[in-house]
Amino acid sequence: GENVEQHPSTLSVQEGDSAVIKCTYSDSASNYFPWYKQELGKGPQLIIDIRSNVGEKKDQRIAVTLNKTAKHFSLHITETQPEDSAVYFCAAISDSNYQLIWGAGTKLIIKP
Amino acid sequence: DTGVSQNPRHKITKRGQNVTFRCDPISEHNRLYWYRQTLGQGPEFLTYFQNEAQLEKSRLLSDRFSAERPKGSFSTLEIQRTEQGDSAMYLCASSYPSGTQYFGPGTRLTVL
Repeated sequence: GENVEQHPSTLSVQEGDSAVIKCTYSDSASNYFPWYKQELGKGPQLIIDIRSNVGEKKDQRIAVTLNKTAKHFSLHITETQPEDSAVYFCAAISDSNYQLIWGAGTKLIIKP
Repeated sequence: DTGVSQNPRHKITKRGQNVTFRCDPISEHNRLYWYRQTLGQGPEFLTYFQNEAQLEKSRLLSDRFSAERPKGSFSTLEIQRTEQGDSAMYLCASSYPSGTQYFGPGTRLTVL
């Protein structure tokens, strides 16, 4: 079945620097890749997503890139701020499926 | 606020008691999902509905768990004879078919 691997499990960066989180998926039929941010005690919040017909998508300080050939997708956060500290999850799904396949999560720590 | 809502936000119960949680999805969404999440882990799929039909239920889900969505709008998740291992965050999400899943704030269950 589909599997999504996410790295690193913990990422600590200096405020103002960039952060990159990487995910790899196994099912070539996957065509939709959302990223969620989860703060302690809250539900996951969608921050950006990308479909397989697009290689890159950007929303202010956040961008996602997709390499379908390599089955990789990455989250890029520039000019990190303290409020970016959270756990980030990547996920993958195909049109024929109903179930999001989740990465294990990355705890992002922004050092002041 | 037209997002997904869940009630209660917190529930503390004694082992052996029954508990029921409610989820109100985004009104136009016909798909509704229940997930369970323990600390440090990603969401674990439990079940999902399309309109009022429960289309899939995780094999990991014990018979003590039951979910309903009687009119295709709100949903309830009931856990009978709770056990300490049921302590977790219970998340609800909704979407269009093949659409982005939007999550509620979750219900945190503590079984003493």
